[in-house]
Amino acid sequence: EDQVTQSPEALRLQEGESSSLNCSYTVSGLRGLFWYRQDPGKGPEFLFTLYSAGEEKEKERLKATLTKKESFLHITAPKPEDSATYLCAVQDRDMKTSYDKVIFGPGTSLSVIP
Amino acid sequence: GAVVSQHPSRVICKSGTSVKIECRSLDFQATTMFWYRQFPKQSLMLMATSNEGSKATYEQGVEKDKFLINHASLTLSTLTVTSAHPEDSSFYICSARRLSSYNEQFFGPGTRLTVL
Repeated sequence: EDQVTQSPEALRLQEGESSSLNCSYTVSGLRGLFWYRQDPGKGPEFLFTLYSAGEEKEKERLKATLTKKESFLHITAPKPEDSATYLCAVQDRDMKTSYDKVIFGPGTSLSVIP
Repeated sequence: GAVVSQHPSRVICKSGTSVKIECRSLDFQATTMFWYRQFPKQSLMLMATSNEGSKATYEQGVEKDKFLINHASLTLSTLTVTSAHPEDSSFYICSARRLSSYNEQFFGPGTRLTVL
């Protein structure tokens, strides 16, 4: 069964304290892995797409990497405004419908303390 | 950009009434739109995939007759919650996929539905 898990469930960092969030997935045929940021009461905001193992993408203090079984979102010197829930999603081909399907992980709630 | 809007942002209705939520891609054409619901402190659960000009594909456990989806144009999809009940209260979020080399989805701001 296709599955996406994220760890930790919640993470509390001091401002400037770098760390990484993990997304592990089990899918039959990965067609893309996405990272989103979601603030309370709002829709997810797109951050990155990764397609193949070894790929890396960067945006300001965030860097996403991908292996065959997991992805990491590295946060360097975080600031309080980076506090949010970070969602990982995996795009897989649904064998029954032949449509692509996106499965979301449960998210990691990040709090950055000044 | 890739902006997706939803309307309304909040709706409160009485049990038994129907509520329509609109999702629009403002600056791109979306052949595929998705509808999700999200309960507090939980991740997004896909309800249905909506392809322009064809019937929506519903996920297992989602009632087609209760959650009516229409994708009449390349920029508009609607979700109608028919005969809403308190258990339908949730955060409903739509997304639109822009066909490009990335196929990423762009999300609307969500609609908070409260059924009394």
